[in-house]
Amino acid sequence: QSALTQPAAVSGSLGQSITMSCTGSTRAIGSYDIVSWYHQVPDRAPKLLIYEVNKRPSGVSDRFSGSKSGNTASLTITGLQADDEGDYYCCSRKVFGGGTKLTVL
Amino acid sequence: EVRLVESGGGLVKPGGSLRLSCAASGFAFKSYTFNWVRQFPGRGLECVSSLSPSNSYIYYSDSVKGRFTTTRDNTNNSVYLQMDSLRPDDTAIYYCVRQVISGSGMDVWGQGTWVTVSS
Repeated sequence: QSALTQPAAVSGSLGQSITMSCTGSTRAIGSYDIVSWYHQVPDRAPKLLIYEVNKRPSGVSDRFSGSKSGNTASLTITGLQADDEGDYYCCSRKVFGGGTKLTVL
Repeated sequence: EVRLVESGGGLVKPGGSLRLSCAASGFAFKSYTFNWVRQFPGRGLECVSSLSPSNSYIYYSDSVKGRFTTTRDNTNNSVYLQMDSLRPDDTAIYYCVRQVISGSGMDVWGQGTWVTVSS
């Protein structure tokens, strides 16, 4: 099971946009369009934001978008809000990345 | 309301066993793949098992293969995780998670149940 690498932390100001990355191997990310992204706040289960690289489940804000280039997937959040803070995880082929902590300044 | 409710967690000694249950409601259970995902105290996530609607696809992570077994009961809308030969590094919150129908995301999560392996 191949590892997915995420930056430990990112930050952005209210109203700004940020992008976080998820890097893996060709086998983990490059050859398949099955990357998903999750948001978790303390004491809650993760919540699905994006699946299959760029699809949003119903009820998820269009401020969240996903993309992929080669072996790197990305999650972009526009119009940052205070409740966007928390941990973000990518996942591909049943393997999760280590997570990125987002701080909204 | 779409819900997943886990039960069966607790404190167990190394080498012991536990059986987790997940009761589903509010949707067509038999059409979905279900996963068990655990979260370690340091916050990392690991998908330990995955089971397709007709049991034709079963996945186990390398760390639990040969020790954990996942099953489902489509009559009672339940999924189970039998955990044997438990080790201290199995200590985690265990979530029952529904997979997007015909897709790869995990869209419905239970509240989780704690499993602590300690002597």
